[in-house]
Amino acid sequence: EVQLVESGGGVVQPGGSLRLSCAASGFTFSSYEMNWVRQAPGKGLEWVSYISARGTSIYYADSVKGRFTVSRDNAKNSLYLQMNSLRAEDTAVYYCASELPATDAYDIWGQGTMVTVSS
Amino acid sequence: QSVLTQPPSVSGAPGQRVTISCTGTSSNIGAGYEVHWYQQLPGTAPKLLLYENSNRPSGVPDRVSGSKSGTSAFLAITGLQAEDEADYYCQSYDRSLSGVVFGGGTKLTVL
Repeated sequence: EVQLVESGGGVVQPGGSLRLSCAASGFTFSSYEMNWVRQAPGKGLEWVSYISARGTSIYYADSVKGRFTVSRDNAKNSLYLQMNSLRAEDTAVYYCASELPATDAYDIWGQGTMVTVSS
Repeated sequence: QSVLTQPPSVSGAPGQRVTISCTGTSSNIGAGYEVHWYQQLPGTAPKLLLYENSNRPSGVPDRVSGSKSGTSAFLAITGLQAEDEADYYCQSYDRSLSGVVFGGGTKLTVL
């Protein structure tokens, strides 16, 4: 079964750090471009970051640039998001999503992990 | 304020047809970038509904269709069913922002 499973969410104080993980199974992870997308409570979707299949190209939304770092370990079929200097506005469910080949459509999504930034 | 503009809500009776618009600018949809659509049921992750304006992934029924014209894209659902009640989001790329952008989402209510 094709699957993405996120973990690492939780409650953190403003200014703190958190590392999210996304474990892939059921497909050749190393061949797929990956993204992080977040959704604040009751709000819409917001793209956060992109990483190419081999990790050589990386992009971020302006709202997280300089604070978040995306990485992947293809040997472990895993995607990561290191989040530093967290702010209240980073509170959201974070989804990892893989891209449909040759498009930038997200065809496989994880179930999401909740990050709450609060004192 | 989302870069792509969607109506906050639409509604229709079972069996009817509804259309959801997604309006952008010359920096995204109008620049020729593809539009993708997602369905999000309450409490679940989004699901890809249409990619590249009008292509249906395997498993999406043919009563779901999409189109694009100028700076707008459209999602149409015919033969409305109770199970279609969900939030719908459009997605494209914006060259001014150099990133992926989403619409604010449209809540579809089946009356």
